[in-house]
Amino acid sequence: SYVLTQPPSVSVAPGQTARFTCGGDDIGSKSVHWYQQKPGQAPMLVIYYNSDRPSGIPARFSGSSSGSTAILTVSSVEAGDEADYYCQVWSSANNHVVFGGGTKLTVL
Amino acid sequence: EVQLVETGGGLAQPGESLRLSCAASGFTFITYAMSWVRQAPGKGLEWVSSISPSGGTTYYADSVKGRFTISRDNSDNTVFLHMNSLRAEDTAVYYCAKDWQLGDFEFWGQGTLVTVSS
Repeated sequence: SYVLTQPPSVSVAPGQTARFTCGGDDIGSKSVHWYQQKPGQAPMLVIYYNSDRPSGIPARFSGSSSGSTAILTVSSVEAGDEADYYCQVWSSANNHVVFGGGTKLTVL
Repeated sequence: EVQLVETGGGLAQPGESLRLSCAASGFTFITYAMSWVRQAPGKGLEWVSSISPSGGTTYYADSVKGRFTISRDNSDNTVFLHMNSLRAEDTAVYYCAKDWQLGDFEFWGQGTLVTVSS
Protein backbone atom coordinates (compact mmCIF):
# COMPACT_ATOMS: atom_id res chain seq x y z
CA SER A 1 0.00 0.00 0.00
CA TYR A 2 1.06 3.58 -0.61
CA VAL A 3 2.87 5.33 2.24
CA LEU A 4 3.37 9.03 2.96
CA THR A 5 6.21 9.97 5.30
CA GLN A 6 6.26 13.20 7.31
CA PRO A 7 8.74 14.28 10.00
CA PRO A 8 7.09 14.36 13.42
CA SER A 9 7.98 17.93 14.26
CA VAL A 10 9.17 21.26 12.93
CA SER A 11 10.14 24.27 15.04
CA VAL A 12 10.59 27.84 13.82
CA ALA A 13 10.73 31.32 15.32
CA PRO A 14 7.98 33.83 14.58
CA GLY A 15 8.49 35.54 11.24
CA GLN A 16 10.57 32.71 9.86
CA THR A 17 9.58 30.17 7.21
CA ALA A 18 8.37 26.67 8.05
CA ARG A 19 8.69 23.87 5.51
CA PHE A 20 6.80 20.60 5.85
CA THR A 21 7.92 17.70 3.74
CA CYS A 22 5.82 14.76 2.63
CA GLY A 23 7.65 11.85 1.04
CA GLY A 24 6.07 9.23 -1.17
CA ASP A 25 6.94 7.09 -4.17
CA ASP A 26 6.56 9.31 -7.27
CA ILE A 27 4.37 11.69 -5.29
CA GLY A 28 5.04 14.29 -7.98
CA SER A 29 2.62 12.40 -10.22
CA LYS A 30 -0.19 12.59 -7.68
CA SER A 31 -2.39 15.39 -6.38
CA VAL A 32 -1.35 16.31 -2.85
CA HIS A 33 -3.60 18.01 -0.33
CA TRP A 34 -2.55 19.59 2.98
CA TYR A 35 -4.57 20.05 6.16
CA GLN A 36 -3.99 22.10 9.28
CA GLN A 37 -5.39 20.85 12.57
CA LYS A 38 -5.22 23.02 15.67
CA PRO A 39 -5.68 21.42 19.12
CA GLY A 40 -9.28 20.48 19.79
CA GLN A 41 -10.43 21.47 16.32
CA ALA A 42 -11.38 19.70 13.12
CA PRO A 43 -8.83 19.67 10.31
CA MET A 44 -8.95 22.43 7.73
CA LEU A 45 -7.82 22.27 4.10
CA VAL A 46 -5.00 24.74 3.46
CA ILE A 47 -3.60 23.55 0.10
CA TYR A 48 -5.27 21.37 -2.51
CA TYR A 49 -4.05 19.91 -5.76
CA ASN A 50 -0.41 20.51 -4.80
CA SER A 51 -0.44 24.30 -4.81
CA ASP A 52 -3.96 25.79 -4.85
CA ARG A 53 -5.23 27.73 -1.84
CA PRO A 54 -8.87 27.57 -0.76
CA SER A 55 -10.69 30.81 -0.26
CA GLY A 56 -9.69 32.43 3.00
CA ILE A 57 -6.28 30.78 3.31
CA PRO A 58 -3.53 33.42 3.46
CA ALA A 59 -0.97 33.65 0.68
CA ARG A 60 1.66 32.79 3.32
CA PHE A 61 0.67 29.17 2.68
CA SER A 62 2.04 27.61 -0.49
CA GLY A 63 2.66 24.14 -1.82
CA SER A 64 4.78 22.33 -4.37
CA SER A 65 5.41 18.75 -5.41
CA SER A 66 8.01 17.02 -7.55
CA GLY A 67 9.65 13.62 -7.72
CA SER A 68 9.32 11.90 -4.38
CA THR A 69 8.62 14.93 -2.17
CA ALA A 70 5.78 17.38 -1.68
CA ILE A 71 6.37 20.50 0.37
CA LEU A 72 4.06 22.83 2.26
CA THR A 73 5.65 26.19 2.98
CA VAL A 74 4.36 28.64 5.56
CA SER A 75 6.15 31.98 5.41
CA SER A 76 6.19 34.70 8.08
CA VAL A 77 5.08 32.16 10.68
CA GLU A 78 2.77 33.40 13.42
CA ALA A 79 1.97 31.94 16.83
CA GLY A 80 -1.49 31.10 15.50
CA ASP A 81 0.04 28.74 12.94
CA GLU A 82 0.94 26.25 15.68
CA ALA A 83 -0.86 23.07 14.66
CA ASP A 84 -0.46 19.62 13.19
CA TYR A 85 -0.09 19.52 9.42
CA TYR A 86 -1.08 16.47 7.36
CA CYS A 87 -0.44 15.66 3.72
CA GLN A 88 -2.85 13.41 1.83
CA VAL A 89 -3.26 11.78 -1.57
CA TRP A 90 -5.68 9.51 -3.39
CA SER A 91 -4.05 6.23 -4.32
CA SER A 92 -5.54 5.16 -7.64
CA ALA A 93 -3.83 1.78 -7.32
CA ASN A 94 -6.42 0.64 -4.79
CA ASN A 95 -8.86 3.59 -4.64
CA HIS A 96 -7.80 4.48 -1.11
CA VAL A 97 -7.11 7.77 0.60
CA VAL A 98 -3.70 7.95 2.27
CA PHE A 99 -2.68 10.41 4.99
CA GLY A 100 0.81 11.13 6.18
CA GLY A 101 1.47 10.74 9.88
CA GLY A 102 1.42 14.50 10.44
CA THR A 103 3.98 17.11 11.48
CA LYS A 104 3.60 19.22 14.58
CA LEU A 105 4.62 22.85 14.14
CA THR A 106 6.01 24.57 17.21
CA VAL A 107 6.48 28.33 17.06
CA LEU A 108 9.37 29.18 19.37
CA GLU B 1 -22.17 28.61 4.48
CA VAL B 2 -21.28 24.93 4.41
CA GLN B 3 -22.26 23.08 7.58
CA LEU B 4 -21.68 19.43 8.45
CA VAL B 5 -23.13 18.18 11.72
CA GLU B 6 -22.30 14.68 12.90
CA THR B 7 -24.44 12.79 15.38
CA GLY B 8 -24.73 9.25 16.68
CA GLY B 9 -21.48 8.79 18.53
CA GLY B 10 -21.29 7.33 21.99
CA LEU B 11 -20.21 4.31 23.98
CA ALA B 12 -20.54 0.83 22.53
CA GLN B 13 -19.32 -2.55 23.67
CA PRO B 14 -17.06 -4.66 21.46
CA GLY B 15 -19.14 -6.44 18.85
CA GLU B 16 -21.97 -3.93 18.98
CA SER B 17 -23.19 -1.58 16.26
CA LEU B 18 -23.59 2.18 15.90
CA ARG B 19 -24.89 4.40 13.14
CA LEU B 20 -23.37 7.82 12.57
CA SER B 21 -25.23 10.54 10.68
CA CYS B 22 -23.94 13.70 9.06
CA ALA B 23 -26.46 16.41 8.19
CA ALA B 24 -25.19 18.68 5.43
CA SER B 25 -26.30 22.16 4.43
CA GLY B 26 -25.08 25.18 2.52
CA PHE B 27 -24.22 23.42 -0.75
CA THR B 28 -25.83 21.26 -3.43
CA PHE B 29 -25.42 17.95 -1.64
CA ILE B 30 -26.29 15.69 -4.57
CA THR B 31 -23.32 16.91 -6.62
CA TYR B 32 -20.53 16.09 -4.18
CA ALA B 33 -18.84 12.97 -2.88
CA MET B 34 -18.77 12.65 0.89
CA SER B 35 -16.37 10.90 3.23
CA TRP B 36 -15.70 9.82 6.80
CA VAL B 37 -12.29 10.26 8.41
CA ARG B 38 -11.43 9.24 11.97
CA GLN B 39 -8.82 10.15 14.52
CA ALA B 40 -7.98 7.92 17.47
CA PRO B 41 -7.06 9.72 20.70
CA GLY B 42 -3.65 11.34 20.33
CA LYS B 43 -3.15 9.87 16.86
CA GLY B 44 -3.20 11.06 13.27
CA LEU B 45 -5.95 11.13 10.67
CA GLU B 46 -7.22 7.88 9.17
CA TRP B 47 -9.54 7.73 6.18
CA VAL B 48 -12.51 5.43 6.71
CA SER B 49 -14.82 5.57 3.70
CA SER B 50 -16.07 7.66 0.79
CA ILE B 51 -19.23 7.65 -1.33
CA SER B 52 -19.90 9.05 -4.78
CA PRO B 53 -22.52 11.79 -5.33
CA SER B 54 -25.17 9.34 -6.49
CA GLY B 55 -24.30 6.80 -3.80
CA GLY B 56 -23.61 4.21 -6.46
CA THR B 57 -19.91 3.83 -5.70
CA THR B 58 -18.37 3.35 -2.27
CA TYR B 59 -14.81 3.00 -1.03
CA TYR B 60 -13.50 1.61 2.25
CA ALA B 61 -10.27 1.43 4.19
CA ASP B 62 -9.04 -2.12 4.65
CA SER B 63 -9.42 -1.75 8.43
CA VAL B 64 -13.21 -1.35 8.19
CA LYS B 65 -14.14 -3.16 4.98
CA GLY B 66 -16.82 -5.74 5.63
CA ARG B 67 -17.80 -4.17 8.96
CA PHE B 68 -18.72 -0.57 8.05
CA THR B 69 -21.17 0.62 5.40
CA ILE B 70 -21.42 4.15 4.05
CA SER B 71 -24.67 5.38 2.54
CA ARG B 72 -26.41 8.64 1.75
CA ASP B 73 -29.91 10.06 1.45
CA ASN B 74 -29.80 12.77 -1.19
CA SER B 75 -33.40 13.73 -0.47
CA ASP B 76 -32.44 14.59 3.09
CA ASN B 77 -28.85 15.82 2.57
CA THR B 78 -27.50 13.22 4.97
CA VAL B 79 -24.64 10.74 4.86
CA PHE B 80 -24.46 7.75 7.17
CA LEU B 81 -21.83 5.39 8.50
CA HIS B 82 -23.18 2.08 9.73
CA MET B 83 -20.60 0.46 11.98
CA ASN B 84 -20.94 -3.20 12.88
CA SER B 85 -18.76 -5.58 14.87
CA LEU B 86 -17.08 -2.68 16.63
CA ARG B 87 -13.63 -3.17 18.09
CA ALA B 88 -11.64 -1.25 20.69
CA GLU B 89 -9.41 0.04 17.90
CA ASP B 90 -12.42 1.77 16.31
CA THR B 91 -12.41 4.24 19.22
CA ALA B 92 -11.94 7.65 17.64
CA VAL B 93 -13.46 10.96 16.74
CA TYR B 94 -15.28 10.45 13.45
CA TYR B 95 -15.36 13.39 11.07
CA CYS B 96 -17.70 13.83 8.15
CA ALA B 97 -16.17 15.64 5.18
CA LYS B 98 -17.39 17.18 1.95
CA ASP B 99 -15.14 16.21 -0.91
CA TRP B 100 -14.06 18.73 -3.54
CA GLN B 101 -13.98 15.95 -6.11
CA LEU B 102 -13.18 12.57 -4.53
CA GLY B 103 -10.76 11.95 -1.73
CA ASP B 104 -9.99 15.61 -1.17
CA PHE B 105 -11.68 17.03 1.87
CA GLU B 106 -12.82 20.59 1.34
CA PHE B 107 -14.92 21.00 4.48
CA TRP B 108 -15.07 19.05 7.73
CA GLY B 109 -17.63 18.68 10.48
CA GLN B 110 -16.69 19.03 14.13
CA GLY B 111 -16.69 15.29 14.70
CA THR B 112 -18.45 12.81 16.94
CA LEU B 113 -16.68 10.59 19.46
CA VAL B 114 -17.12 6.84 19.32
CA THR B 115 -15.81 4.85 22.26
CA VAL B 116 -15.71 1.07 22.10
CA SER B 117 -15.12 -0.45 25.49
CA SER B 118 -16.49 -3.14 27.76
